[in-house]
Amino acid sequence: DAKTTQPTSMDCAEGRAANLPCNHSTISGNEYVYWYRQIHSQGPQYIIHGLKNNETNEMASLIITEDRKSSTLILPHATLRDTAVYYCIVRVILAGNMLTFGGGTRLMVKP
Amino acid sequence: EAGVVQSPRYKIIEKKQPVAFWCNPISGHNTLYWYLQNLGQGPELLIRYENEEAVDDSQLPKDRFSAERLKGVDSTLKIQPAELGDSAVYLCASSFSGTNEQFFGPGTRLTVL
Repeated sequence: DAKTTQPTSMDCAEGRAANLPCNHSTISGNEYVYWYRQIHSQGPQYIIHGLKNNETNEMASLIITEDRKSSTLILPHATLRDTAVYYCIVRVILAGNMLTFGGGTRLMVKP
Repeated sequence: EAGVVQSPRYKIIEKKQPVAFWCNPISGHNTLYWYLQNLGQGPELLIRYENEEAVDDSQLPKDRFSAERLKGVDSTLKIQPAELGDSAVYLCASSFSGTNEQFFGPGTRLTVL
């Protein structure tokens, strides 16, 4: 699976959009971009994934650049409960394929 | 619907003692994973089961770690004997084969003194 690069930490004001970047310049054509997050003392939680097109669900939006070398996870209205470590993972979709986590971005949402 | 259940949530033992962690995956999920998470780092896969078969255990330190999933449902991860460096969070996850969203339990935080 391709390697990803994320900022170590970011701050965001409560109620504002949180934009978390991820670089994956060596991504292959059959690799998807996944985002998970891990709130303190909990296991990781799936957020969203995509291949080429932008995706949106009830939690977040995922914007993938046209060359697919980078992406941005957007939390449109961050709340204090969104404070967590956010992991960007690039992987081929195979049944049972493991997740390879990097260091992630520690997002702190401040009042 | 119940999520992935793990027990105990916390365990403190002295080095050289044995320890076991238990995981009950989401009903119907036939793929089960055990991950290790050291402080400040992302989780790392230890072993993956498809039903009762361990299909990827290349990262499991087999000299002291063992795992089983006898009936293809719940699973146990054991360490014997534990070492100071084994202090970490042990996470269990499950998924449907063929789908890719993994659901994680809350983890077991192990402290070895």
